[in-house]
Amino acid sequence: EVQLVESGGGLVQPGRSLRLSCAASGFTFDDYAMHWVRQAPGKGLEWVSGISWNSNSIGYADSVKGRFTISRDNARNSLYLQMNSLRAEDTAFYFCAKGQHDYGDSISYWGQGTLVTVSS
Amino acid sequence: DIVMTQSPDSLAVSLGERATINCKSSQSVLYSSNNKNYLAWYQQRPGQPPNLLIYWASTRESGVPDRFSGSGSGTDFTLTISSLQAEDVAVYYCQQYYSTPFTFGPGTKVDIK
Repeated sequence: EVQLVESGGGLVQPGRSLRLSCAASGFTFDDYAMHWVRQAPGKGLEWVSGISWNSNSIGYADSVKGRFTISRDNARNSLYLQMNSLRAEDTAFYFCAKGQHDYGDSISYWGQGTLVTVSS
Repeated sequence: DIVMTQSPDSLAVSLGERATINCKSSQSVLYSSNNKNYLAWYQQRPGQPPNLLIYWASTRESGVPDRFSGSGSGTDFTLTISSLQAEDVAVYYCQQYYSTPFTFGPGTKVDIK
């Protein structure tokens, strides 16, 4: 059974940093692209970032480019999102998500999400 | 960036009736070399993460009931629920994965009339 468990969310002040982690299990992690998608409370979905299985292809939403960094550790079956210079508008549930296969594929499975609240 | 729009914003349909949701992309998401539309549909029930329904615009994900179908090509797409069931109450999103950033539509909320 595929499992994606996010961690690292919480309350953080504007301008500070936070690192999200996603522990994956139930599938061959290094065969699949991975993504982060966020959802502000009561709002729609926003794709944040994605990374190919070998980290050769990486992309970001314009709203986070230059502030967020996605990475993965295939040996640890883990996905990460380093978030710097956080803003109030970054407040959202952050979902770790598994790609269908390649970087340019749909998202086939989502974790339950971790809440990031940016507030003073 | 490719902008995704959806219509309507919300709709209420009687149980057993058809629900139709439209999605439009600001540029074509049809890749000519493989003739595939890089368009997916997701269902998000209240309090749950999204769930993949349709990919390549019309391919149903394994386990998804056959009352869900996707159609369209290029810039215009449709998700149809042929006979609405109570468990289909949700918000439905389209997403393009043709080019980064892989943008989502704003969502369409489906309720029971």
